[in-house]
Amino acid sequence: AQSVTQPDIHITVSEGASLELRCNYSYGATPYLFWYVQSPGQGLQLLLKYFSGDTLVQGIKGFEAEFKRSQSSFNLRKPSVHWSDAAEYFCAVGGSGNTGKLIFGQGTTLQVKP
Amino acid sequence: GAGVSQSPSNKVTEKGKDVELRCDPISGHTALYWYRQSLGQGLEFLIYFQGNSAPDKSGLPSDRFSAERTGGSVSTLTIQRTQQEDSAVYLCASSLAFETGELFFGEGSRLTVL
Repeated sequence: AQSVTQPDIHITVSEGASLELRCNYSYGATPYLFWYVQSPGQGLQLLLKYFSGDTLVQGIKGFEAEFKRSQSSFNLRKPSVHWSDAAEYFCAVGGSGNTGKLIFGQGTTLQVKP
Repeated sequence: GAGVSQSPSNKVTEKGKDVELRCDPISGHTALYWYRQSLGQGLEFLIYFQGNSAPDKSGLPSDRFSAERTGGSVSTLTIQRTQQEDSAVYLCASSLAFETGELFFGEGSRLTVL
């Protein structure tokens, strides 16, 4: 079955600390992987995506993610978190032919302590 | 407009009534998607439209749900004989083409069925 698992429902980090949000996927074909962020009262925004090539991808707002095929993972990282990063983060997987028909994880809510 | 526009932003209805939710995608975007975001279910794909092709309705949960897209632009999601389990935020997204991998989401229409 195709699925995305985000093991952490809530994460709290201090401002300036590093961040890693975990994502594991199960997908029968070559996966196209995405991270979206949803801030309160706003629509989801794409942070970054992986289709092929370099397994370390850079995104907006200083985020990066690493695709590890052997671990079926696509973890999101940021070296130093800012208070404005507090939001809900969604990992998603799609396939070639329609990269908009996505399977989303349940989301991870990030809280940032001052 | 500059982004994906959805209306109404909030809708409260009584069980058994029909509702219509509207989505106005970004001008020039050929692909349009509907997703549902609910507690316990996360984000679920409902339907997508790509140009003049037949829509992919594989995510619609029941035959009470239907959607149309007129003139390749505005889309309406209709839920007939609403049930309490239909309560959710209905998100619309559009993309330049279904292979770009970047969906632009609206802020959603929050539906509450009493």
